[in-house]
Amino acid sequence: QSALTQEASVSGTVGQKVTLSCTGNTNNIGIYGVGWYQQISHGAPKTVMFGHSLPSGIPDRFSGSKSGTTASLTISGLQPEDEADYYCSTWDNSLNGWVFGGGTKLTVL
Amino acid sequence: EVQLVESGGGLVKPGESLRLSCAASGFNFNNAWMSWVRQAPGKGLEWVGRIRSKSDAGTTEYAAPVKGRITISRDDSKKTLYLQMNSLKTEDTAVYYCVTESADDAFHMWGQGTMVTVSS
Repeated sequence: QSALTQEASVSGTVGQKVTLSCTGNTNNIGIYGVGWYQQISHGAPKTVMFGHSLPSGIPDRFSGSKSGTTASLTISGLQPEDEADYYCSTWDNSLNGWVFGGGTKLTVL
Repeated sequence: EVQLVESGGGLVKPGESLRLSCAASGFNFNNAWMSWVRQAPGKGLEWVGRIRSKSDAGTTEYAAPVKGRITISRDDSKKTLYLQMNSLKTEDTAVYYCVTESADDAFHMWGQGTMVTVSS
């Protein structure tokens, strides 16, 4: 049981906009920023968003937002290379540790 | 170019110990807060523990499943992070990643990971 809740799977077609969600509570997402990580074919994760910032080299079709205790990662103009598992994370001050979502498998049809 | 290179993984028996290393380059390691994150086969990501920079007291925090069995340390002169794991259990089998923490409440740079297998 993950501290953060993500959709198990999401799919979209090339060029479509998709939004992945990450729901927590007032001890984590409600007060801290959220990171998003892309993992392709069980390779090493790569950060695609931290807070509202795009790491260097990440295309600007990726964007992040947060409202209350839910964070979202939006991919505008979906590309075949975006097919991956996506995880969210943040700090939890009741657990005194980092927490992750269970991950969303994004399929590009 | 930022690089994090983990090493030290392998096959060990339950109850044994193992020390993982993470060699850092391309950024100011001395000021970085560092974490270890693991991923069991077919499972999601799980935070293991963190160490703050020496200028922030160099203190550590550990996840409940590993607390008391692991120690995270750092050698800033060698730009190296360590994860000492004792009393290993089969459920510790995972790929272990070395990760930098950003100021935006997220992880930033990831290593390629090192596999630890605990099996009799």
